[in-house]
Amino acid sequence: DTAVSQTPKYLVTQMGNDKSIKCEQNLGHDTMYWYKQDSKKFLKIMFSYNNKELIINETVPNRFSPKSPDKAHLNLHINSLELGDSAVYFCASSQDGTVGEQYFGPGTRLTVT
Amino acid sequence: QKEVEQDPGPLSVPEGAIVSLNCTYSNSAFQYFMWYRQYSRKGPELLMYTYSSGNKEDGRFTAQVDKSSKYISLFIRDSQPSDSATYLCAMSIGFQKLVFGTGTRLLVSP
Repeated sequence: DTAVSQTPKYLVTQMGNDKSIKCEQNLGHDTMYWYKQDSKKFLKIMFSYNNKELIINETVPNRFSPKSPDKAHLNLHINSLELGDSAVYFCASSQDGTVGEQYFGPGTRLTVT
Repeated sequence: QKEVEQDPGPLSVPEGAIVSLNCTYSNSAFQYFMWYRQYSRKGPELLMYTYSSGNKEDGRFTAQVDKSSKYISLFIRDSQPSDSATYLCAMSIGFQKLVFGTGTRLLVSP
């Protein structure tokens, strides 16, 4: 039974397109996150939501817009994709007060051509 | 300079060796220290979680934190080929965001 799931697993698209990545967790956690992992494996937080409310918004271009319809879902929409957006995007979740104990999804490998 | 520094490796060891993985950090406000393991093409998974200085042991894994030196370590005893993965250290200030190291790739050969 998958705890944190993401769709799609792979996404290949052209520059300038708009795309979305979906994330769902069935752990009952209150906080969800989006991370970007670059080609050197550096994992950096982009956003976090607690009970549908935006808590962390790192220095991310405003082409990236997270949306949380309910506390089990956190989607990421990216407008006007650029080559530099190519990376693996991970969704994660944690229970309140346990920011260190995060459960990660399998990742979405985005390639922008 | 990155907040958290980690040697990317790869670190190659024979099966059964003791492995030492390390991170240094610059922000003395970090209080919580974690080690995550990431297999190829998978998401990171939490291995060890420690608060402040000291040691924590879990099976073959021991995590050490030395806040005075701003240095954390993960030791793996009796390493197995299945331990081959990238190991990411992470740390946080209170309940704020996690800051990750770049990860060390470990290869354990049979």
